[in-house]
Amino acid sequence: DAKTTQPPSMDCAEGRAANLPCNHSTISGNEYVYWYRQIHSQGPQYIIHGLKNNETNEMASLIITEDRKSSTLILPHATLRDTAVYYCIVRVAGAGSYQLTFGKGTKLSVIP
Amino acid sequence: DAGVIQSPRHEVTEMGQEVTLRCKLISGHNSLFWYRQTMMRGLELLIYFNNNVPIDDSGMPEDRFSAKMPNASFSTLKIQPSEPRDSAVYFCASTGGPNEKLFFGSGTQLSVL
Repeated sequence: DAKTTQPPSMDCAEGRAANLPCNHSTISGNEYVYWYRQIHSQGPQYIIHGLKNNETNEMASLIITEDRKSSTLILPHATLRDTAVYYCIVRVAGAGSYQLTFGKGTKLSVIP
Repeated sequence: DAGVIQSPRHEVTEMGQEVTLRCKLISGHNSLFWYRQTMMRGLELLIYFNNNVPIDDSGMPEDRFSAKMPNASFSTLKIQPSEPRDSAVYFCASTGGPNEKLFFGSGTQLSVL
């Protein structure tokens, strides 16, 4: 699976949009981009994933650049409960591909 | 749905003792993953099963660690004998198929004294 690079930490004001970047310049054509987050003392939680089109769900939006070398996770209106470590993961698609490899992620602090 | 259920939530034991961690998968899921998390190494995949069969155990640290799936909905991770360096949070996760999202349990905080 391709390697990802994320900033170690970010701050965001409560109520504002949080934009979390991820670089995956070695991504292959059959690799998806996944985002998970881990709130303190809890297990990681799935947020969203995509291949090449932008995706949106009730939690967040995922913007993938046209060349697929980077992506941005957007939390449109950050709340204090969004304070967590956010992991960007690139994973090969296919019948034999199950596991996720977690990096160090970005620690997002939402400030009141 | 109750989600992935892990027990115990916390375990404190002495070096040399056997430790057994338990995990109940979400009903209908057929893949099970054990992860370990420490401050130094982050989240590490130890082993995963598909349809009760171990597929990749390359992350298991050493022979002291063993994992089983006696049935489709339950798994155990055993450490025998335990050592202080095994202290960590152990998570299990399940999924219904490739490319589907993983659902994680709340973890077991293990402290080996």
